[in-house]
Amino acid sequence: NAGVMQNPRHLVRRRGQEARLRCSPMKGHSHVYWYRQLPEEGLKFMVYLQKENIIDESGMPKERFSAEFPKEGPSILRIQQVVRGDSAAYFCASSPTQRESEAFFGQGTRLTVV
Amino acid sequence: DQQVKQNSPSLSVQEGRISILNCDYTNSMFDYFLWYKKYPAEGPTFLISISSIKDKNEDGRFTVFLNKSAKHLSLHIVPSQPGDSAVYFCAAILTGGGNKLTFGTGTQLKVEL
Repeated sequence: NAGVMQNPRHLVRRRGQEARLRCSPMKGHSHVYWYRQLPEEGLKFMVYLQKENIIDESGMPKERFSAEFPKEGPSILRIQQVVRGDSAAYFCASSPTQRESEAFFGQGTRLTVV
Repeated sequence: DQQVKQNSPSLSVQEGRISILNCDYTNSMFDYFLWYKKYPAEGPTFLISISSIKDKNEDGRFTVFLNKSAKHLSLHIVPSQPGDSAVYFCAAILTGGGNKLTFGTGTQLKVEL
């Protein structure tokens, strides 16, 4: 059973470009969480999705950021018109239930905006 | 507003000795606490957890202690091994309120030979 897969592992974007981060949850997991870790900080919750639904997006910046978890395929975190401050490690976690305490984390995508 | 705090950014311990990592929280509604271990360029890996109805949970070399009145928890690793060198994150969850994890800023543990 493969773990949570995130790709790409590293992503470099110029300011103003779009970044798309993908997360394939573990088999059988229908709950996905996205976290962002800025340098020297802990992980900060961004959004919680269940298949085709956004359950909690209280941690998402109001502009430029969006997330989806379609019926088929991976969850996508999309950042439009990236700025230098978006440079961070983005982690995805998945769980089989709504209990996030049971979630497993992916290896993360390190986004660098130049 | 940092609701979960790890005030020691780093800790150095000799192999074989005890490592004690500390975590404080401000939200008394948190009812479940977890410790994660993170190696560079990898995601956090769950280590051990404790419910607020307990004050101690032990798993092999790892023990977590919870002091609810002080809003403080600690992770004890004994004996410490070089492979334990990693960043350790404390996290708290409000199981009845959204279930999202609130993380501390992490403590870098270095176990020296």
